[in-house]
Order: sequence, then C-alpha cells, then structure tokens
Amino acid sequence: GAVVSQHPSWVICKSGTSVKIECRSLDFQATTMFWYRQFPKQSLMLMATSNEGSKATYEQGVEKDKFLINHASLTLSTLTVTSAHPEDSSFYICSAGDIFTSATNEKLFFGSGTQLSVL
Amino acid sequence: KQEVTQIPAALSVPEGENLVLNCSFTDSAIYNLQWFRQDPGKGLTSLLLIQSSQREQTSGRLNASLDKSSGRSTLYIAASQPGDSATYLCAVRRPSGGSNYKLTFGKGTLLTVNP
Repeated sequence: GAVVSQHPSWVICKSGTSVKIECRSLDFQATTMFWYRQFPKQSLMLMATSNEGSKATYEQGVEKDKFLINHASLTLSTLTVTSAHPEDSSFYICSAGDIFTSATNEKLFFGSGTQLSVL
Repeated sequence: KQEVTQIPAALSVPEGENLVLNCSFTDSAIYNLQWFRQDPGKGLTSLLLIQSSQREQTSGRLNASLDKSSGRSTLYIAASQPGDSATYLCAVRRPSGGSNYKLTFGKGTLLTVNP
C-alpha cells in the first residue's frame, strides 16, 4: 500500500517555542492531506484539511493562527504548532490520499504520528 | 453531529479465541465505514473498508459487517493471536464526496491477546 512518512516521531520542546511536523507521501501524489490530534484515551479529532496549493480548511475550534498548515507540493504538508503550550501536548497524525484521481480513492493512508510534549 | 461509540473500551482474551468488537454511529447517512488498527505510539493501518451499500467485508481472519439502518458495525476476529494486540478504531465517513472527506472516529477498543 501507499506510504506516508511523518517526522519527527516525538518532540519535546519548551513552552513558547514553535514545532514543525512534516508529512510526506512517498509513492503517490497526495492531493489532500488531513491533520488529526489525539489526546490520551480519546478519539482522533480532525484539525484541518489541506489541499495542495490552497489554504487549509480548519475544523471548528481549531485556531488557524496557532496551527499553521502548509501544503505547497503534492508530496509534502507541514503542521507548525506556534508558541506551543503544555495544553498542546498531544499525538498529532497526518493522513493523505489522492482522492480525486486514484482508483483507491476511498482509502486514506496514515503517517506514524508525532508525540508532542511541551514543558 | 455524528458520534461513534465503540464497545468494549478494552478486551483481554486468551490466544485462539474468536472475538467481536462493536461500533455504533448516530447518523446512518454515511458514505462508508472503516476499521483501523493502531499500535502504541504508531499510526493507523486500514484493515477493512465497507461501502454504505455493502453488508460485509472479509480479509483473512477478519470480517466486518455493516448494518447502516441501525447504525452498527462489528469486527469479527477469528482465532486471535498475540500479534493482534492493538487498539482497533472504527471510523465513518460522511456522505459528501471530493475534498469533504471527514472521518469521525470512535475512541477505540484496546485488545490484548494473551499467549
């Protein structure tokens, strides 16, 4: 199946710093990428949807100025957590799919996730 | 607002046992339903996808059923193995197509298969 690479796997940072997480589709073109957040023992919650070359669409309650998403190419999307605070500590995971042209357009492929800990 | 509930939250079984995981959703107007496996600190692996027009899908020892009208799905695992230990997530996709591909996830069932 298609491979989505997400880096870093984990990051520890000080409060007030910014953290960038990368999500790459390795063997297919990802027209759309999705960013999820998962708190312990909770469901994955969609944060935003990004389409290559356009602005991301954020879910209600997600601050777009705090969680900056860039999807400048068909293989790379980045999520930057700006001025991170302890409450931003969570598991962030991306998924990607070529949902407009792929024959397997029903499935999304997920990265391995990033565990963010803000001290 | 779509809500997805998974029961039980955790399950521990001896190796070799057959088991059933349950998923229910409040809005039956779904496009498809997907079962995922998540290992600790890892990403998700898609196990089975059932379109709204389908009743079940099978892959190896896994069988997933869908009763859209009642808002229920089950994942049946036959002859469980310790390697099946993981969190199993159920997710439904809302009907809108194209880029409106939002998945609503349940909290998952943590499965432990004991040798």
